[in-house]
Amino acid sequence: KNEVEQSPQNLTAQEGEFITINCSYSVGISALHWLQQHPGGGIVSLFMLSSGKKKHGRLIATINIQEKHSSLHITASHPRDSAVYICAVRGGSPNFGNEKLTFGTGTRLTIIP
Amino acid sequence: NAGVTQTPKFQVLKTGQSMTLQCAQDMNHNSMYWYRQDPGMGLRLIYYSASEGTTDKGEVPNGYNVSRLNKREFSLRLESAAPSQTSVYFCASTRDRVDSPLHFGNGTRLTVT
Repeated sequence: KNEVEQSPQNLTAQEGEFITINCSYSVGISALHWLQQHPGGGIVSLFMLSSGKKKHGRLIATINIQEKHSSLHITASHPRDSAVYICAVRGGSPNFGNEKLTFGTGTRLTIIP
Repeated sequence: NAGVTQTPKFQVLKTGQSMTLQCAQDMNHNSMYWYRQDPGMGLRLIYYSASEGTTDKGEVPNGYNVSRLNKREFSLRLESAAPSQTSVYFCASTRDRVDSPLHFGNGTRLTVT
């Protein structure tokens, strides 16, 4: 089973700061997901990536397959970015589907106005 | 376009009672999933359905049953609820098993007393 570690567990920052959330995993993967869980509990998919970098608005996700590490960056953070950010990895076999996702425990981000 | 609709939002059961959690998606997705989320743990897969007419056990299937009624609907049944099943339950769907993002319902908070 792939172990997924996220850091930090909790992060509090001032509005406008650049935010970095990290995700490390123990074995090879075929894909990595970043999810956002709102304070009300709903979960939204932010990114799915298997190499390189993706950008959507103020959010950037990067992955380094060799180092088994991914980062989620938020530029010009805003209080509405306050949420729990969850990393999930899918095992490396090409036969594996999303049923083989292993989820991290999440990073709780709080942005203070 | 409702996405993934999950009912009920909240439920309190007594030990031994039964209930069914309903999930429906209107995105014509093939794959559907049931997860539970517990404090300090990542999301864990209970059951999944890779396509209409098929269901398979996930990581924590004991005490649960599922039905993929048609392509839209995937229900989760607790036949005899136990306090250990107190959790937040999420239904999710994806277009296919592999390279598609997850779409989540809003969750069901279940308490078993």
